[in-house]
Amino acid sequence: NAGVTQTPKFQVLKTGQSMTLQCAQDMNHEYMSWYRQDPGMGLRLIHYSVGAGITDQGEVPNGYNVSRSTTEDFPLRLLSAAPSQTSVYFCASRQGTSYNSPLHFGNGTRLTVT
Amino acid sequence: EDKVVQSPLSLVVHEGDTVTLNCSYEVTNFRSLLWYKQEKKAPTFLFMLTSSGIEKKSGRLSSILDKKELFSILNITATQTGDSAVYLCAVGTQGGSEKLVFGKGTKLTVNP
Repeated sequence: NAGVTQTPKFQVLKTGQSMTLQCAQDMNHEYMSWYRQDPGMGLRLIHYSVGAGITDQGEVPNGYNVSRSTTEDFPLRLLSAAPSQTSVYFCASRQGTSYNSPLHFGNGTRLTVT
Repeated sequence: EDKVVQSPLSLVVHEGDTVTLNCSYEVTNFRSLLWYKQEKKAPTFLFMLTSSGIEKKSGRLSSILDKKELFSILNITATQTGDSAVYLCAVGTQGGSEKLVFGKGTKLTVNP
């Protein structure tokens, strides 16, 4: 039972490069989301999706794009990486679309932008 | 602006001690409060609380919510070194813009 799988685990980018962080879940969860975690800042929501074809912005969406073409996958794209995007990124999913069920997190991607 | 504040930010105890972690919140349209434990990697779910005064318990961990005073506590009794982690509190809101607002976490270190 894989749960939420994120790849890669680590990534180093140069300023201006683009890349996609992958997230897949095998629990048939409707809701998926991306958070970033920075020291002293807690977890902050970047983008989320309540189902295939539907995405919306969270608290810190600038510099990131998402799409949801299938229930299972929710990739996060960095269009032009900046040092301020150095962070640990977590993908999370849950059953249903309301917060009456808990989020299940992936193991994170540690991104460094130089 | 929705806000979740955890205290203390860090705590060092000895094995066998009992600890209480605090979480206070100010949000519009409260739906639920959740506690997570984060060791090296992914936060793992501990409890979800939606009603005041009803204690949730799992082994040595317990938690309770006070919706009138807008806070929750997480108790850990007879702490073990394996309890060392960052404990995250998050509040789920309902309505037009449902979201989960996280606190900054409490880092607990349990020394042998």
